[in-house]
Amino acid sequence: GQQVMQIPQYQHVQEGEDFTTYCNSSTTLSNIQWYKQRPGGHPVFLIQLVKSGEVKKQKRLTFQFGEAKKNSSLHITATQTTDVGTYFCAGRDNAGGTSYGKLTFGQGTILTVHP
Amino acid sequence: EAGVTQFPSHSVIEKGQTVTLRCDPISGHDNLYWYRRVMGKEIKFLLHFVKESKQDESGMPNNRFLAERTGGTYSTLKVQPAELEDSGVYFCASSLTRDGYTFGSGTRLTVV
Repeated sequence: GQQVMQIPQYQHVQEGEDFTTYCNSSTTLSNIQWYKQRPGGHPVFLIQLVKSGEVKKQKRLTFQFGEAKKNSSLHITATQTTDVGTYFCAGRDNAGGTSYGKLTFGQGTILTVHP
Repeated sequence: EAGVTQFPSHSVIEKGQTVTLRCDPISGHDNLYWYRRVMGKEIKFLLHFVKESKQDESGMPNNRFLAERTGGTYSTLKVQPAELEDSGVYFCASSLTRDGYTFGSGTRLTVV
């Protein structure tokens, strides 16, 4: 079945440093989504990427979708303590024949930011 | 609008007992999903409803798990009998369009 690998598992940074997490799928994806889960909380949707090579920005966050639609990355510029949490990528393929089908989540990257 | 509501937030049961988790999706969201996160690992898919129909239940671990969605509104996930390895956080999510899911706060299930 489809697998989504995410690295690194942990990342510790000083406030103000940059942070990147990477996601790779074993199959070509129709789209990929990113979620953030704060400690003790639940995943919150950040963004969806659909097109090959797509790049989207949300303030200090930059999301990329690879040309082959099998990999993605999330980059945070100048991290802040409010960025702390676990960042998940989640990919959807078309095997189920529906655009609303299941997402396969990566293992997540736990980000800690030291002030 | 109200978000996705899950009940209970925590449940501690003994091995062999039965537990029923409930999820109230956002009103009008036809798609409802159940996921589970065990021991801080990845969030794993359990099943997907479209309205009251099971669209995909390929992630259900075994026949001890039974999910229903009455009238296409709220959903229940019953575990009977519960085993130690069923412990984890059970998330429900709903969606309307092709955009992201809205997750509930989850039910933390502990089987002792």
